[in-house]
Amino acid sequence: ETGVTQTPRHLVMGMTNKKSLKCEQHLGHNAMYWYKQSAKKPLELMFVYSLEERVENNSVPSRFSPECPNSSHLFLHLHTLQPEDSALYLCASRDGTWAGELFFGEGSRLTVL
Amino acid sequence: DAKTTQPPSMDCAEGRAANLPCNHSTISGNEYVYWYRQIHSQGPQYIIHGLKNNETNEMASLIITEDRKSSTLILPHATLRDTAVYYCIVDARDRSGYSTLTFGKGTMLLVSP
Repeated sequence: ETGVTQTPRHLVMGMTNKKSLKCEQHLGHNAMYWYKQSAKKPLELMFVYSLEERVENNSVPSRFSPECPNSSHLFLHLHTLQPEDSALYLCASRDGTWAGELFFGEGSRLTVL
Repeated sequence: DAKTTQPPSMDCAEGRAANLPCNHSTISGNEYVYWYRQIHSQGPQYIIHGLKNNETNEMASLIITEDRKSSTLILPHATLRDTAVYYCIVDARDRSGYSTLTFGKGTMLLVSP
């Protein structure tokens, strides 16, 4: 148990669906991250939020829309995804935006049909 | 960003020390070296990090060369549960000055009985 909780753990959706992934941390951290891990590929950083403001967006397609309503919650809204978007989506949080340990959730396994 | 180079895979006998090398020859003076591991289909787990001096915690030891161009993660008594992908990462700042951790392919460590 890392203190970072992701829901749902597994999600299957069609290309026309709209769904959301949720991440919650109770560690008092002020920075939160979304990573994507496709099969046999390194983790790819998608978004970084610091103090609820987005500070990093690594050229992620607009069909992925992040939301950080407060420092404890992070969402990833999904809309009209493609089968190649099937992957493990990992949320992480950190105390401070320049150093310190990243705490990861267990991930949400997404399958797009 | 400083890049890291790790062997793709290593084997270790249970109970023996596992020494995982990492090259980071372009590291800057203020960049930390982090080690994480990822057991299959789980979120990455923080192991240890350091700047110049050698570090030790309950999980592992980190040896950083004097010129900081390489490091070695040591698991003193490997167990079967240490089988995982181990990532060596250099802490980098993005354009906004915020720290990001970029994961490479890592080293797949297989601990055998």
